[in-house]
Amino acid sequence: EVQLVQSGAEVKKPGESLKISCKGSGYSFTSYWIGWVRQMPGKGLEWMGIIYPGDSDTRYSPSFQGQVTISADKSISTAYLQWSSLKASDTAMYYCARHGSNLTGMDVWGQGTTVTVSS
Amino acid sequence: SYELTQPPSVSVSPGQTARITCSGDALPKQYAYWYQQKPGQAPVLVIYKDSERPSGIPERFSGSSSGTTVTLTISGVQAEDEADYYCQSADSSGVFGGGTKLTVL
Repeated sequence: EVQLVQSGAEVKKPGESLKISCKGSGYSFTSYWIGWVRQMPGKGLEWMGIIYPGDSDTRYSPSFQGQVTISADKSISTAYLQWSSLKASDTAMYYCARHGSNLTGMDVWGQGTTVTVSS
Repeated sequence: SYELTQPPSVSVSPGQTARITCSGDALPKQYAYWYQQKPGQAPVLVIYKDSERPSGIPERFSGSSSGTTVTLTISGVQAEDEADYYCQSADSSGVFGGGTKLTVL
């Protein structure tokens, strides 16, 4: 079964750092782009960026460039999303999703990781 | 980047046809995807390349494209189709529309 499993919920304070993960299984992890999507409470989906685990080629949405870092460790089929200094406005649900080949969309999604930033 | 515009809400009675539109200047040159998201769940891809349906998605879901607008059509709407629906551009921007809440009356 093709699946993406994300790390658990996080509660952090403003200014703290954080790295959440997304582990792929059931397919060739290095052959598909992985994207990250933010959903703030009660709001819509926002595309943050993508990474190709095969060579770590990474692209960011202009809205998130410089705010987060996307990385991957292909040896353990895991992609990451990290913050160096969290803000309260980073409170949201974060999803990872596989970009299917040949323009088939984000065809497999993780279950989501809730990040709460509060003093 | 650019925007994709969706109506905030659409309401239909069971058995009727729901049409959800998504408008954007880049859509004549780019494919679009559609996702369904039910409360507390991750999104699910329901349409890709404007009109293709992934395996496992019911035939009542279809998509079309005309000029700067793509449309998700749900024929014979069922109560279980009540959800938020998002379009997304297939280009490198990855931009999503604002989402449409489908209410089944």
